[in-house]
Amino acid sequence: QKEVEQDPGPLSVPEGAIVSLNCTYSNSAFQYFMWYRQYSRKGPELLMYTYSSGNKEDGRFTAQVDKSSKYISLFIRDSQPSDSATYLCAMSVYSSASKIIFGSGTRLSIRP
Amino acid sequence: DSGVTQTPKHLITATGQRVTLRCSPRSGDLSVYWYQQSLDQGLQFLIQYYNGEERAKGNILERFSAQQFPDLHSELNLSSLELGDSALYFCASSVATGEVSDTQYFGPGTRLTVL
Repeated sequence: QKEVEQDPGPLSVPEGAIVSLNCTYSNSAFQYFMWYRQYSRKGPELLMYTYSSGNKEDGRFTAQVDKSSKYISLFIRDSQPSDSATYLCAMSVYSSASKIIFGSGTRLSIRP
Repeated sequence: DSGVTQTPKHLITATGQRVTLRCSPRSGDLSVYWYQQSLDQGLQFLIQYYNGEERAKGNILERFSAQQFPDLHSELNLSSLELGDSALYFCASSVATGEVSDTQYFGPGTRLTVL
């Protein structure tokens, strides 16, 4: 079993919908949680970073961490075709970037 | 555009060969990271350099090596290539020494195909 599990999708939703992307994990020691967005033929870019539990909001994006359930989510409100990309969750026990474990990514497509 | 450049964009080679991938970080960034992304393994950290010195090592095979030069560009050398080394190789850079909260800027990647 992988430490970080992510549904590969693809997930296809109409423009304007609320999107929910999720990851589960097995290591209860994870305390740093991230979401990356990767457009086709590009490198990943950091979208959201949270430490420990709780919610964090940035514009149309909300990251949620539930450590008791070992479950993290990324919500995208008012989704746009430009949000079409692969979303990678990532997490780490330690504060060092070299220890980040990435999920395999969920492909998201927003239909105009 | 992240400001990180990688060359070449594509590389096709044969098993047993050796290749060198090159990365130029964003201006002012002292840390360079190398990652491998494949369909079965996902994105995996290989190695990090900070201001010319090796800072952290991940799941990097002994056949692979890297270095960062005084002008801060970095090279990843892959030798005795195997079919399983076919993947996307990303370079990323950041200003600081490499905390999870540091924003890493990823390059466009080099797609390596080993035949």
